[in-house]
Amino acid sequence: NAGVTQTPKFQVLKTGQSMTLQCAQDMNHNSMYWYRQDPGMGLRLIYYSASEGTTDKGEVPNGYNVSRLNKREFSLRLESAAPSQTSVYFCASSPSIPTVPNSPLHFGNGTRLTVT
Amino acid sequence: LAKTTQPISMDSYEGQEVNITCSHNNIATNDYITWYQQFPSQGPRFIIQGYKTKVTNEVASLFIPADRKSSTLSLPRVSLSDTAVYYCLVVNTGRRALTFGSGTRLQVQP
Repeated sequence: NAGVTQTPKFQVLKTGQSMTLQCAQDMNHNSMYWYRQDPGMGLRLIYYSASEGTTDKGEVPNGYNVSRLNKREFSLRLESAAPSQTSVYFCASSPSIPTVPNSPLHFGNGTRLTVT
Repeated sequence: LAKTTQPISMDSYEGQEVNITCSHNNIATNDYITWYQQFPSQGPRFIIQGYKTKVTNEVASLFIPADRKSSTLSLPRVSLSDTAVYYCLVVNTGRRALTFGSGTRLQVQP
């Protein structure tokens, strides 16, 4: 049971390059989320998809786009990477929206992105 | 949205009980409390949730007093593997996403 799988695990980009972070879950969850975590800090929500076919902005959406490809997959795209986007990116999923009791978030192990 | 305050860091020794207290003075009637644990180089994982009184599972206990303005996560007999960051979240059921603070960094020494 893989849970939430993120690819790649590590990535180095030059300023201005683009890339897509992939996320897939095999738990048949409805909701999926992208967070970023800067060193020594908590997680900040970038975008989320409460259900297949919907996406919404979180706290820090600027510079990112997302696609809920199907129920399993939720990708995050950086169109023109900037050094300020150097961070660890976590994808998460939950059976329903995680603010409902007994619908906790399940996280992947992250993608470590460095933008030079 | 209820704001949470928890210690930035705590130190303990193996075998001790650790209590991490979280303050949430403006918690709303329908809000509940949840805790996540994050090991180094991993994503957070859910530990426990509760609305009031006491909740216990195989990992931890959660104590919530009657006024619900604070909560305490209790880890019995910690080991080195409990070294992690612990996040207290007040969850508003009217929202669709969770907001994480900076958490409490627990360091367990041998």
